[in-house]
Amino acid sequence: GNSVTQMEGPVTLSEEAFLTINCTYTATGYPSLFWYVQYPGEGLQLLLKATKADDKGSNKGFEATYRKETTSFHLEKGSVQVSDSAVYFCALRLSGGSNYKLTFGKGTLLTVNP
Amino acid sequence: GAGVSQSPSNKVTEKGKDVELRCDPISGHTALYWYRQSLGQGLEFLIYFQGNSAPDKSGLPSDRFSAERTGGSVSTLTIQRTQQEDSAVYLCASSLGGVNSGANVLTFGAGSRLTVL
Repeated sequence: GNSVTQMEGPVTLSEEAFLTINCTYTATGYPSLFWYVQYPGEGLQLLLKATKADDKGSNKGFEATYRKETTSFHLEKGSVQVSDSAVYFCALRLSGGSNYKLTFGKGTLLTVNP
Repeated sequence: GAGVSQSPSNKVTEKGKDVELRCDPISGHTALYWYRQSLGQGLEFLIYFQGNSAPDKSGLPSDRFSAERTGGSVSTLTIQRTQQEDSAVYLCASSLGGVNSGANVLTFGAGSRLTVL
């Protein structure tokens, strides 16, 4: 089946630290990959996406590269801010007939301290 | 509307009562999804609508759960005879189209937090 595994949190960093949240996936087809972010008290928002191998998604200083050979889509940011504190979800979505369904990882809580 | 609206934002109910959760998707979005977010469980897919029909109900946990969508717009998720394990945040999302649009972005609502006492 399809699944997403992301590093367990919580992750606590100081402001301006480097962030990596690991995400690996298992898929029966060729998925599109996503990172969603959930700020406190809000719904999930798309952070970035990549639809094919070697694509790099980027937004708000965050980046993730679609690595087919390692089935990974790790999220990185060079210098985190307090406002980045949120829960981050990695997700995949298959192409073809079952491409309506997002399969999520369990989420990683990030707390950034000033 | 401008975003996906869900109501109520919070619902506290007694075990055994029925609850209805409402989702108003973005205008023009034909695809609508319900997910459940439980503590420690991440996000579970419940049901997918394309228009008014639900080609995939595979994620509904039991026959106490049902959902409908009318007019290709508003959807209602109904939980009958609620149990404590139903306590969770129920998230609705919508997107343009469904099939053959694998990179379509889902826009989520803020969720309905259900607490069953």
